Amino acid sequence: AQSVSQHNHHVILSEAASLELGCNYSYGGTVNLFWYVQYPGQHLQLLLKYFSGDPLVKGIKGFEAEFIKSKFSFNLRKPSVQWSDTAEYFCAVNARIGGFKTIFGAGTRLFVKA
Amino acid sequence: ETGVTQSPTHLIKTRGQQVTLRCSSQSGHNTVSWYQQALGQGPQFIFQYYREEENGRGNFPPRFSGLQFPNYSSELNVNALELDDSALYLCASSFDRSNEKLFFGSGTQLSVL
Repeated sequence: AQSVSQHNHHVILSEAASLELGCNYSYGGTVNLFWYVQYPGQHLQLLLKYFSGDPLVKGIKGFEAEFIKSKFSFNLRKPSVQWSDTAEYFCAVNARIGGFKTIFGAGTRLFVKA
Repeated sequence: ETGVTQSPTHLIKTRGQQVTLRCSSQSGHNTVSWYQQALGQGPQFIFQYYREEENGRGNFPPRFSGLQFPNYSSELNVNALELDDSALYLCASSFDRSNEKLFFGSGTQLSVL
């Protein structure tokens, strides 16, 4: 079955530290990949997405993610985090398997210390 | 704001009852997906509707059913409620069924006692 694994459930960083959140998926076919973010008190919103082309995609607020097909991975990175990046981050995979499905990982809670 | 509204925001039911949750999609969106999010977990895909037809379903029993109306608003119905159905239920709309970008509502918090 299609699934998404996020390696870290909780991450605590100081401001200006670098961030990398791991994401692996299990599906051998063509997939679209996403990172969604939920800031405190807000809706889930799209951070960035990969559909095709350059495997290094850039999103809002300085985030980027790299699709490595051979590793079934789509890790999220940011060179220097800010206090305002405190949020929960969800990796998601969309594929056509018996209909269209967008499957989410369990999420990673990031807390950035000022 | 995403333009996706859900009602009610909170609901308390007892085991065995039935519940209907509602979602109004963003204007111009013909696809709606429903998710269940238990505490500390990611959203679990229930099903997706595209132009009033179900076109994708997750691992949820048949007592979870849905409808999408001609105006693309949607309902999630759950029969024979169980304690484990207590969760946040999220509705997400998208421009089309490829789900290039999901727009989420703020959810309905369901508690089953």
